[in-house]
Amino acid sequence: KQEVTQIPAALSVPEGENLVLNCSFTDSAIYNLQWFRQDPGKGLTSLLLIQSSQREQTSGRLNASLDKSSGRSTLYIAASQPGDSATYLCAVAGNNRKLIWGLGTSLAVNP
Amino acid sequence: SAVISQKPSRDICQRGTSLTIQCQVDSQVTMMFWYRQQPGQSLTLIATANQGSEATYESGFVIDKFPISRPNLTFSTLTVSNMSPEDSSIYLCSVAHPLLARETQYFGPGTRLLVL
Repeated sequence: KQEVTQIPAALSVPEGENLVLNCSFTDSAIYNLQWFRQDPGKGLTSLLLIQSSQREQTSGRLNASLDKSSGRSTLYIAASQPGDSATYLCAVAGNNRKLIWGLGTSLAVNP
Repeated sequence: SAVISQKPSRDICQRGTSLTIQCQVDSQVTMMFWYRQQPGQSLTLIATANQGSEATYESGFVIDKFPISRPNLTFSTLTVSNMSPEDSSIYLCSVAHPLLARETQYFGPGTRLLVL
């Protein structure tokens, strides 16, 4: 049974710092891995999707990597801004395309 | 991308009552899903809403407790029946469609439910 763990559970950084969020999963037979952002009252927003055959994806200041063999993904946020404050969720899709979710990392970027 | 709205955005209900949550999408989509996010828990898939047929429920969820309708490709409802405090949660609708790119899912803003 796939399990997804995210570390740390919470993170508080000053504006401008580069930071790394971690996601690990127990079953390496995945279809893809996705990173989402959750803002209160606004639902979830897809940030990056990495197919199982890919090693990383980039979008603006965000870079996500995938090491399937070790069951790990990282989300790198460069030059963090207060607007980046949110909960970041990692979700893994198996071959049935169903998403298994981590508990998330709550990020606060302080001005 | 798809724009998804949910009604109500939040509600406070008495135990034993039922609440129907609506999900409306601005375009036709092939797949619609309902999730639950209980306090301190990860998102859990309740069911896949199938257009014109019965929903497909995940292990631990049953139609009598969570009846789902999907009359067309842009609309679905989830009913939380005979509610108890354990049903207090955020309920999220999501959609996926191959033409919306990369098999990602798009989420509605959620319905925050508190059962007293």
